[in-house]
Formats: sequence, C-alpha cells, structure tokens
Amino acid sequence: QSALTQPASVSGSPGQSITISCTGTSSDVGSFNLVSWYQQHPGKAPKLMLFEDNKRPSGVSDRFSGSKSGNTASLTISGLQAEDEADYYCCSYAGGDTHVFGSGTKVTVL
Amino acid sequence: EVQLAESGGGWVQPGGSLRLSCAASGFRFMNYWMTWVRQAPGKGLEWVANIRHDGSDKYYVDSVKGRFTISRDNAKNSLYLHMNSLRVEDTAVYYCARDDEFYDYSSGTYRPSHFDYWGRGTLVTVSS
Repeated sequence: QSALTQPASVSGSPGQSITISCTGTSSDVGSFNLVSWYQQHPGKAPKLMLFEDNKRPSGVSDRFSGSKSGNTASLTISGLQAEDEADYYCCSYAGGDTHVFGSGTKVTVL
Repeated sequence: EVQLAESGGGWVQPGGSLRLSCAASGFRFMNYWMTWVRQAPGKGLEWVANIRHDGSDKYYVDSVKGRFTISRDNAKNSLYLHMNSLRVEDTAVYYCARDDEFYDYSSGTYRPSHFDYWGRGTLVTVSS
C-alpha cells in the first residue's frame, strides 16, 4: 500500500499544456485500467476529473485527458487556465477491493 | 442531487475513540460501495476504508486495521467510521465518498472503481 509517485509540482503559462505523471507498480497502476484523477482547490473537497484511465465524467472539460503506459499513468491539461491551479491526485485500484492514492501534484499557472 | 454530509469530528486525546457519520441523499445508497478518505493537515489524500453495498465486505489501509471499523445502515442511508485507539497521526479531515464500480467478469462481481461524489469532510484532531 505504498503511495503512487507524482511530481510535487508542475507549472505552465496560460494556454500551454502540462502533463502530470503517476507511477505505481505492476500490482496497481499496471494491472488494471482503473486509474482516476482528482482536482482539489484549497479548503475544498476533491473533485473527480478522470476515471478508468481516460474517461471524463459529465461536466468535466475536454481539456483534461488521461493516458497510461505500463506502470505510469498521466494526466494532461491542455489550454491551461487560471482556474486549473489546484492540487491533483491520481488514484488506482490496487486489488483486493482496495485503493491507493498518489502523493499529489501542485499545479501552478504562471 | 447527490449529497454526502459528514459529522462527528472533533478533538480527542490519544488512545480515545470517535465515531464519524456520513448522511447520504439523492441516490440509491444501498446500490453503492462507500469509502472513507482522509487528509492530514497540509498533506495528501489517503484511502482509509471501504464497504460493499450490503456491508458484507470491508477493507482497510494497513495503518488503521484493528483500530477502525467501517459500517453502514442502508435503512438510514448512513455510513460510519468507528475509530478506536486514536493516534496523533490520525489527525486529518475525513471525507466520505461514493465509490462507483466496475464489473469484474473474472469473478462475476462488482468491484469499487473510483470516487464520483464527495462530502465536505469533518476534521478529527488527536492531541493531548
């Protein structure tokens, strides 16, 4: 049950694209197509942004996209906007009906 | 509209106990896995525990096994987290979340997948 590894911070200018990585193991990220991503603004509850690696819930902008290769999943935000500044967490199904979160990434819009 | 509302947080001394509640509305509660997630001050999210629709299966992160118990009352649309032998490191905001699911064809069962709705959280402070 070790946390998935994410970069502590990622930054970009408005309009640019950024990518956040999420590295796990063959027991979690690499075994299931069940990585989800959450956005959290300060003092707020997390919000689901992507699920099952690359699916967007209704209402989430198509500027958010997901991908995966081996044990590493990625979240890409295109056309970066000021409102995207927040913390982002990946999460993976880890087998045995358990989950594991990533360490979190602070996104800064320059 | 799906709503989740946590309550029961507060201050407790190390070794003490607390019971958190989560009132659910706006969806058929008995049809979903439910989860507790916590976030220590200034830290990241940590999955704590989840429970199957009918309460028959419960799973925990290693750090709370034997101390925390997750339960639910489908008649009351409520989720609970009973916390015993609390430690300073249990200090956190505790969120309840609805756990959407996927169908596992290999086992013929529904398994928890992702957290599509969250409550606002309740703060638990363990300190002497």
